[in-house]
Amino acid sequence: NAGVTQTPKFQVLKTGQSMTLQCAQDMNHEYMSWYRQDPGMGLRLIHYSVGAGITDQGEVPNGYNVSRSTTEDFPLRLLSAAPSQTSVYFCASSPGEGLAKNIQYFGAGTRLSVL
Amino acid sequence: GQSLEQPSEVTAVEGAIVQINCTYQTSGFYGLSWYQQHDGGAPTFLSYNALDGLEETGRFSSFLSRSDSYGYLLLQELQMKDSASYFCASDSGTYKYIFGTGTRLKVLA
Repeated sequence: NAGVTQTPKFQVLKTGQSMTLQCAQDMNHEYMSWYRQDPGMGLRLIHYSVGAGITDQGEVPNGYNVSRSTTEDFPLRLLSAAPSQTSVYFCASSPGEGLAKNIQYFGAGTRLSVL
Repeated sequence: GQSLEQPSEVTAVEGAIVQINCTYQTSGFYGLSWYQQHDGGAPTFLSYNALDGLEETGRFSSFLSRSDSYGYLLLQELQMKDSASYFCASDSGTYKYIFGTGTRLKVLA
C-alpha cells in the first residue's frame, strides 16, 4: 500500500517556467489537498478537492491551478513560476467520511526552488 | 481573520511531561487536529477532537475546550524520538483546514 505518492521529490525552475507537481493516492480517498510550507511556518492550503470533478480554492491559490479528473490523481500546476513560490509542497488525502474522516495522510513532499 | 496560535518552541527532558497549547480564532469551527513533523519529513496525524474533553492515544493526549477556543497536546514519558514540530489544525467541516505555525519540541537527554 503506497499511500500518497508525490513526484518529483526535488525540482529547480527558472522564473517564468511552468510545471506540474504530481500527486497520486491508492486509498480511494475522496478528499485531496495541496499545501505549501515555508521555513519555520505551518502549512497553508492552496487548493483542495472533495471528489473527482470538484475543486475549490484554499488560503493561497494565486499562481496555481488544479484539476481532479480521477479519484486517484490531483496534480498541481504552476503557471509561471516566481521566486515567491520557492517552498516545500505537500499533497494530502483523507477518507472524507467515517471514523477516519478527519485524518489527513501526507505525501513525502516536493522541494521546489525557483531561481 | 482565522488564526491558530502556538508557542514557537518548547524544551523538556527525557521522561518528562510536556503540554503544547493552541488557541484558535476561526469561523465555523468544527474540530481540532494535531500533527507531528520531523525535520525533512511529512506531517503525520496524531489526534482529533470534535468534542470538549480529553482524548487519549497511548503516550499522547489531546484536549479541547470550545468555550475557551483552546486546545492542547500532552506528551507523556518523553523520548528523544519525540523531538519534532507539532502543529494544531482547525477545520470548519468543509475540509478547509487551517494550520498553526507549529511548536518545535526539543527533548534533552
